Amino acid sequence: QSVLTQPPSVSGAPGQRVTISCTGSSSNIGAGYDVHWYQHLPGTAPKLLIFINNNRPSGVPDRFSGSKSGTSASLAISGLQAEDEADYYCQSYDSSLSGYVFGTGTKVTVL
Amino acid sequence: QVQLVESGGGLVKPGGSLRLSCEASGFTFTDYYMSWIRQAPGKGLEWVSYISTGGTTRKYADSVKGRFTISRDNAKNSLYLQMNSLRAEDTAVYYCARTDTNYGWSDPWGQGTLVTVSS
Repeated sequence: QSVLTQPPSVSGAPGQRVTISCTGSSSNIGAGYDVHWYQHLPGTAPKLLIFINNNRPSGVPDRFSGSKSGTSASLAISGLQAEDEADYYCQSYDSSLSGYVFGTGTKVTVL
Repeated sequence: QVQLVESGGGLVKPGGSLRLSCEASGFTFTDYYMSWIRQAPGKGLEWVSYISTGGTTRKYADSVKGRFTISRDNAKNSLYLQMNSLRAEDTAVYYCARTDTNYGWSDPWGQGTLVTVSS
């Protein structure tokens, strides 16, 4: 089981803003390790969405933003679009496990 | 363009072995760590292993430690995952990914190769 907890699902109407939380602990996010976010559509390769907490790779729309505070991080999607319907995962490093960890994943549904 | 292509997946019996390969192109292979990440059917992503640029540092998830071995051949721009003592719970799509050496983000990922462990 993952040490990073995300809500199983979030939903919103087109144009709305949704946020996905990623809750960790003092051995990962709370220890200062950075958080990265990925978008995964079934049957495709996961795609890097946010790196080092709040940075977007080129080509990722500025509707996607990330933040980190304490033992948690968040991904926000503003101006929700139909193509944003996917699974989203956070990732960080865990010092007690001496390895990387992914969040439990969140399915975003556009109503 | 940057490309990662996995191969070697298939059906194997419990207790059996399999070797996955990942061929990289379009970037300087020796500048990056490389990782294996998997997704079991209906489950989320699970980090499996990473290897440093020169291969001297290798880390594994507890679930595969002692059974899986990651390696790389920098002359061939290739990454490998030797999987031994396979279990039903190792059934998953296995992705290789280029991994940043300092911060650990992975980009891009390959399309994945399916490993099925079943009798």
